[in-house]
Amino acid sequence: SQQGEEDPQALSIQEGENATMNCSYKTSINNLQWYRQNSGRGLVHLILIRSNEREKHSGRLRVTLDTSKKSSSLLITASRAADTASYFCATSGSARQLTFGSGTQLTVLP
Amino acid sequence: EAGVAQSPRYKIIEKRQSVAFWCNPISGHATLYWYQQILGQGPKLLIQFQNNGVVDDSQLPKDRFSAERLKGVDSTLKIQPAKLEDSAVYLCASSLEVQGSGGELFFGEGSRLTVL
Repeated sequence: SQQGEEDPQALSIQEGENATMNCSYKTSINNLQWYRQNSGRGLVHLILIRSNEREKHSGRLRVTLDTSKKSSSLLITASRAADTASYFCATSGSARQLTFGSGTQLTVLP
Repeated sequence: EAGVAQSPRYKIIEKRQSVAFWCNPISGHATLYWYQQILGQGPKLLIQFQNNGVVDDSQLPKDRFSAERLKGVDSTLKIQPAKLEDSAVYLCASSLEVQGSGGELFFGEGSRLTVL
């Protein structure tokens, strides 16, 4: 079964706008990671946030984590057409395996 | 640094036939994973190796799927006999660390299987 569930399933925005994706999970975690997958390609790691962290930044990416609500959000600022991809959250817990959500398909229109 | 290599990229077979996928992880990565990704879904873990030992294969359909990691480096995933529902992308990933202690996964481009 998949631990994380992303919301929305699909998101379409104009270039230059910000994109926000949310992830909810069910059990306690050690860390939460976000990955990007371009069509027909493998997944690429974007950012990792540990359970004792609340916010993390990397370039145009901002990730927040609320362990009390078991949720995380990924914000992409000033989006570009090249950001068009599927975005997955993945949680790592005591089972020592990384469990992926169902993903958000982001389309950035030029 | 070379990435995770997988082959073949595409494979089309008929049901009840067999197929094998190969993966070469990033040099020095102790942990290797095989994930199954059905169209429109997130990756689902099939099996996790630490060096050449199996850490987790609880979601591997062992009546038809098998995997091995010889000498703690390359790995092969086999399906025999294939069913229609096995149509998916099979992703190999490797990491320097065991999950749960942090660390990112590095994925290959995947092997897309179509079962007719």
